[in-house]
Amino acid sequence: GQSLEQPSEVTAVEGAIVQINCTYQTSGFYGLSWYQQHDGGAPTFLSYNALDGLEETGRFSSFLSRSDSYGYLLLQELQMKDSASYFCAVRLDNYGQNFVFGPGTRLSVLP
Amino acid sequence: EAQVTQNPRYLITVTGKKLTVTCSQNMNHEYMSWYRQDPGLGLRQIYYSMNVEVTDKGDVPEGYKVSRKEKRNFPLILESPSPNQTSLYFCASSLGGDTYNSPLHFGNGTRLTVT
Repeated sequence: GQSLEQPSEVTAVEGAIVQINCTYQTSGFYGLSWYQQHDGGAPTFLSYNALDGLEETGRFSSFLSRSDSYGYLLLQELQMKDSASYFCAVRLDNYGQNFVFGPGTRLSVLP
Repeated sequence: EAQVTQNPRYLITVTGKKLTVTCSQNMNHEYMSWYRQDPGLGLRQIYYSMNVEVTDKGDVPEGYKVSRKEKRNFPLILESPSPNQTSLYFCASSLGGDTYNSPLHFGNGTRLTVT
C-alpha cells in the first residue's frame, strides 16, 4: 500500500519560519509535490521535487531526500494569508500522473 | 481564463438515486482525475484518465464510474449512491505525459450529501 505521513497541525506567528515534514512509503516514486488549500477552496500547486535537494520559490522552499523517503515544505516570513492546509503528494508513475496525497497539515498563523 | 469547471457545487440526494457530477477543462490537458476529500484522510484518487477512452482505477473506485469520450470532459457517475459516499469531490487536470513537472489543476469542488 501507499503511506504518507504529515503532522496534523502546526501553529506559528506572523513573520516566523515553519517547516512541514512529509515521510512516504510508496510502491513508486517520481516526485514529491506540495499543495495549499484554504478553507472552502480548491488545492493549488506550490512546488515539486523530483531530485534530492532544495527548490526555492519566493517565500516557499521544498526539500527532498529520496534515500530517507522524506521531504519538507519551508514557509518563511509567515503571513496571515498562509493559514491553510498543506498536502504533500507523491507521483507514483512517470506517465500516468497517478498521485497519492498525504492527510494534510493545518497551519495556523497567529498575529 | 484557464480553468477546471465542476458542477454542481453542492448536491443533496437520496440513497440509490443515480447522479452525475460534470467536469470540464479548457487547457487541452491530456490527464484528468477525480478525488474525494474526507477529514483526516487527505485527497484520495477515485479514477484517472490519461486520454480519451483511456481510464484507470485509483485508490477508491468502488461505487463510481467515469467516462472520457472527449478530451475536455470527465464526468463522475454514481449509479447507486450510498451515505458513505458523502464527501467533497474534486476534479483535476494536468498536461500529463513524460513531463518533469506537471502540476494538477483542481476544480472548485462538489460537496455531495447522500441521505
